[in-house]
Amino acid sequence: EAAVTQSPRNKVAVTGGKVTLSCNQTNNHNNMYWYRQDTGHGLRLIHYSYGAGSTEKGDIPDGYKASRPSQENFSLILELATPSQTSVYFCASGDAGQGYTEVFFGKGTRLTVV
Amino acid sequence: GEQVEQRPPHLSVREGDSAVITCTYTDPNSYYFFWYKQEPGASLQLLMKVFSSTEINEGQGFTVLLNKKDKRLSLNLTAAHPGDSAAYFCAVSASTGANTGKLTFGHGTILRVHP
Repeated sequence: EAAVTQSPRNKVAVTGGKVTLSCNQTNNHNNMYWYRQDTGHGLRLIHYSYGAGSTEKGDIPDGYKASRPSQENFSLILELATPSQTSVYFCASGDAGQGYTEVFFGKGTRLTVV
Repeated sequence: GEQVEQRPPHLSVREGDSAVITCTYTDPNSYYFFWYKQEPGASLQLLMKVFSSTEINEGQGFTVLLNKKDKRLSLNLTAAHPGDSAAYFCAVSASTGANTGKLTFGHGTILRVHP
């Protein structure tokens, strides 16, 4: 079973503070993704990566940075957290291939910015 | 970019009834289509994937229809039971195999099945 582990699972942060959300996958997948989920919006793509050293902007990258230091790890960084970034964040990983490859999601991180 | 509209946002049905959730998308190059189920506080569980070369996929207790002409995807739970109560999301990918995880999601449908 593919494994995507997020930490922390819950986080309360102060407005203006720095927050780092971590994601680790043991699937040896090339691609990793960060999504946020808000009521009424489904999941929206923030950043993604094709492999170590690669980060790409998704649909809503403003206010977020990403870091992929290794194949296994992909971090989402909020340099100056704001209350509007209160959300549930999901990390996912998937392989790259000629056709369809399944994407596996982590269990999510609930972030509250006060 | 791709836009995905999902309806209805909330759906309440009796046990044994059918439940239909529909998504429409805008990008004619979309090729991969997915339905996910999410129980409260949990991650997303892949229910079904449909490729643009198929039109009907059947799973355990549900059917997925893809109408490429109308750019419409639907999930039909044929005889809903309380265990089906959850949030359901459609997702669409226009990316190739190199990046099929780059998904555009619908806004979700909260399904409640009551006895």
